[in-house]
Amino acid sequence: SQQGEEDPQALSIQEGENATMNCSYKTSINNLQWYRQNSGRGLVHLILIRSNEREKHSGRLRVTLDTSKKSSSLLITASRAADTASYFCATDGSVRGAQKLVFGQGTRLTINP
Amino acid sequence: EPEVTQTPSHQVTQMGQEVILRCVPISNHLYFYWYRQILGQKVEFLVSFYNNEISEKSEIFDDQFSVERPDGSNFTLKIRSTKLEDSAMYFCASSEIRNQPQHFGDGTRLSIL
Repeated sequence: SQQGEEDPQALSIQEGENATMNCSYKTSINNLQWYRQNSGRGLVHLILIRSNEREKHSGRLRVTLDTSKKSSSLLITASRAADTASYFCATDGSVRGAQKLVFGQGTRLTINP
Repeated sequence: EPEVTQTPSHQVTQMGQEVILRCVPISNHLYFYWYRQILGQKVEFLVSFYNNEISEKSEIFDDQFSVERPDGSNFTLKIRSTKLEDSAMYFCASSEIRNQPQHFGDGTRLSIL
């Protein structure tokens, strides 16, 4: 099955440091999306990267995609306490109709002040 | 910024009862989705909906589940006869077109007693 799997499962760093999370998947994709989830809340979309793109930036976020390795990484630079959350990658490999996102287990990121 | 809204935020229901979860997607979006997240587990795709019909559904979305867009703004998920294992957080999402980010609501926590 097509699944995004993140690693590490949990990451704890000091405020100001960079955080890197990785995601691997199994089948071909149209795009890969990263989401953030604060405890008890909904998923907040961060970045979408298409299969023909290799890198994308948004503010302090940098996402890379390597389709040959079926992997992606999310880098958060200059982390802040407010970045504490769970981060999920989700892949869309649907061939027709609407998207069907397949989520990984997530990385729980803790930023220590 | 427009957002997806879900009601209620928490629903407690007796096993065997019917439950309807409601969502108001972002107004100019054309694709609608339901996902669920059992406590401590991955977010799982349930169903996608486009042009007034189901586009794709997962194995979870059996005959007990149905979706409807009764008017121009609401999108509902009905579970006909709830089971204990239906207890989960249910998320509604919408996207403008294919290959675009999905925007999620804050979810409805469904507790089956």
